[in-house]
Amino acid sequence: DTAVSQTPKYLVTQMGNDKSIKCEQNLGHDTMYWYKQDSKKFLKIMFSYNNKELIINETVPNRFSPKSPDKAHLNLHINSLELGDSAVYFCASSPTLRGRESTDTQYFGPGTRLTVL
Amino acid sequence: DQQVKQNSPSLSVQEGRISILNCDYTNSMFDYFLWYKKYPAEGPTFLISISSIKDKNEDGRFTVFLNKSAKHLSLHIVPSQPGDSAVYFCAASTRRGSDMRFGAGTRLTVKP
Repeated sequence: DTAVSQTPKYLVTQMGNDKSIKCEQNLGHDTMYWYKQDSKKFLKIMFSYNNKELIINETVPNRFSPKSPDKAHLNLHINSLELGDSAVYFCASSPTLRGRESTDTQYFGPGTRLTVL
Repeated sequence: DQQVKQNSPSLSVQEGRISILNCDYTNSMFDYFLWYKKYPAEGPTFLISISSIKDKNEDGRFTVFLNKSAKHLSLHIVPSQPGDSAVYFCAASTRRGSDMRFGAGTRLTVKP
């Protein structure tokens, strides 16, 4: 009954490869996000999707592309992986973009540790 | 640009005492603030929040205080328990609701 799940949990790959991280939420939320936790432990938002519409792109290289086949999924595709992409990537979801009661309460997945060699 | 700052990377407290975690922000447009708790190898979990129209929000052992003029918020845990040992992230967002910024986190250790 995991609310937000990510696969894989660990991903080790070579530079230059293309990889994907999957995220699924069973909470019925409208908005999903991808965060990158850098070496200094900052959680930086990368993307968010609301009803299949991209609403944030925080100066992320275009090698990163989010794909949302439906409201419950937001996958992260990364092309031509670089050493600096090594990090923990968190997926999250929230109920709605409008309204203040629960909009900003984001439920996070367990994270995917990506290591680029 | 670090709009949300947690200047103490770590905090150690004795069980039963109060833990106070601090957070500062620079963006005056932030109007909603949250604390997340993170255990190793897990994603952050929502702990408590406060909107800018309030200066205090309490939930059991956890209380968040907001000082808008100082752009400062704090999380009080009392009494602290060993199970509270985790990394605590402060987060803030604007009315848009989708541009949340996180602090770097403070690692709390509660000693038995």
